[in-house]
Amino acid sequence: KNQVEQSPQSLIILEGKNCTLQCNYTVSPFSNLRWYKQDTGRGPVSLTIMTFSENTKSNGRYTATLDADTKQSSLHITASQLSDSASYICVVSAGDSNYQLIWGAGTKLIIKP
Amino acid sequence: GAVVSQHPSWVICKSGTSVKIECRSLDFQATTMFWYRQFPKQSLMLMATSNEGSKATYEQGVEKDKFLINHASLTLSTLTVTSAHPEDSSFYICSATIYSQLNTEAFFGQGTRLTVV
Repeated sequence: KNQVEQSPQSLIILEGKNCTLQCNYTVSPFSNLRWYKQDTGRGPVSLTIMTFSENTKSNGRYTATLDADTKQSSLHITASQLSDSASYICVVSAGDSNYQLIWGAGTKLIIKP
Repeated sequence: GAVVSQHPSWVICKSGTSVKIECRSLDFQATTMFWYRQFPKQSLMLMATSNEGSKATYEQGVEKDKFLINHASLTLSTLTVTSAHPEDSSFYICSATIYSQLNTEAFFGQGTRLTVV
């Protein structure tokens, strides 16, 4: 069964600190992995997208890694800001004809001043 | 980048009435759009896949007669919640995907907060 699991479920850190969010998946065939940021009451916004051959990709203070062998991904946020408070969702695209998106439950990140 | 516009961003309606939500791809053509529903503190749940010029494909457990989807053009898909009830109150989000040989990328609308009173 195609699944995406994220940890932790929620995380609270102080402004300026770094943090790492985890994503484990069992999706076959694998097409790509995306990280989205979703503010409360808004649609998800894409942060990074990585294919099988990519190990790391950065978008400003966000750095995503992908280990296709262990089927794990992480999203590292450096020098956190209050505006980083949001849900971060890992989504894996199955490489079948339907391009099915398998959604993780997300990590709720709260940045405190 | 590609933009998907969703309207309205929020709506309050009386129980028993119908509500239409629009999803537009502003700078690209989308033969396929997706409709999601999100309950508080939960992830997005796919409701249906909207196909231009043909019938939508609904996920298991989603009533097609209650959630009417029309994808009449390559840039517009609509979701109509018919005879809405309080349990239909939720956050509805549409998305459109750009397909390429190298990759696919999904773009999301801003979402619509539906409250049925």
